[in-house]
Amino acid sequence: EVQLVESGGGLVQPGESLRLSCSASGFSFSTYWMTWVRQAPGKGLEWVANIKEDGTERNYVDSVKGRFTISRDNAKNSLSLQMSSLRAEDTAVYYCTRNRVMSDYWGQGTLVTVSS
Amino acid sequence: QSALTQPPSASGSPGQSVTISCTGTSSDVGNYNYVSWYQQHPGKAPKILIYEVSKRPSGVPDRFSGSKSGNTASLTVSGLQAEDEADYYCSSIAGSNKVIFGGGTRLTVL
Repeated sequence: EVQLVESGGGLVQPGESLRLSCSASGFSFSTYWMTWVRQAPGKGLEWVANIKEDGTERNYVDSVKGRFTISRDNAKNSLSLQMSSLRAEDTAVYYCTRNRVMSDYWGQGTLVTVSS
Repeated sequence: QSALTQPPSASGSPGQSVTISCTGTSSDVGNYNYVSWYQQHPGKAPKILIYEVSKRPSGVPDRFSGSKSGNTASLTVSGLQAEDEADYYCSSIAGSNKVIFGGGTRLTVL
């Protein structure tokens, strides 16, 4: 059974940093693109970033480029999102998802709140 | 990267069919057959319903179907059931392995 479990969310102040993690199991992690998608409270879904199977290609939505870094550790079946210079508008539930152009499996999400 | 355009709401009675549209541009929906649809119930993670315009993952009822014409994709839910009441989102690849979502449509079963 495919499982994606996010962790690392919490309350941070504007300008601070936070690192999200996603632990994957039930599939061959190293053979799939992985993606982060977020959802602000009461709002729609927003694609954030994705990373190729071997980590050699990373793509970001313009609003997080230069502030967020997606990475993966295939030996540990783990996906990460390092977020810096956080803003109030980054407040959202962050979902770890499998695949590149269609997210076929989703984690339960982890809430990031940016507020002073 | 502008979001794909979906109607904010849609509704239908049990047993009826309802179609939700998703309008993009020639740079996304119109240029690729990589449109997906997701269903999200309140407080839950989204679930994929349709990928590559019209393909259904195993376990998704055939009441859900997808299509595309030009820059507009559509999701049709046939034989509406109470449990179909949810938010629905479309997405498309938008070049360079980036993805954009639609704003979402809340489906109400009357």
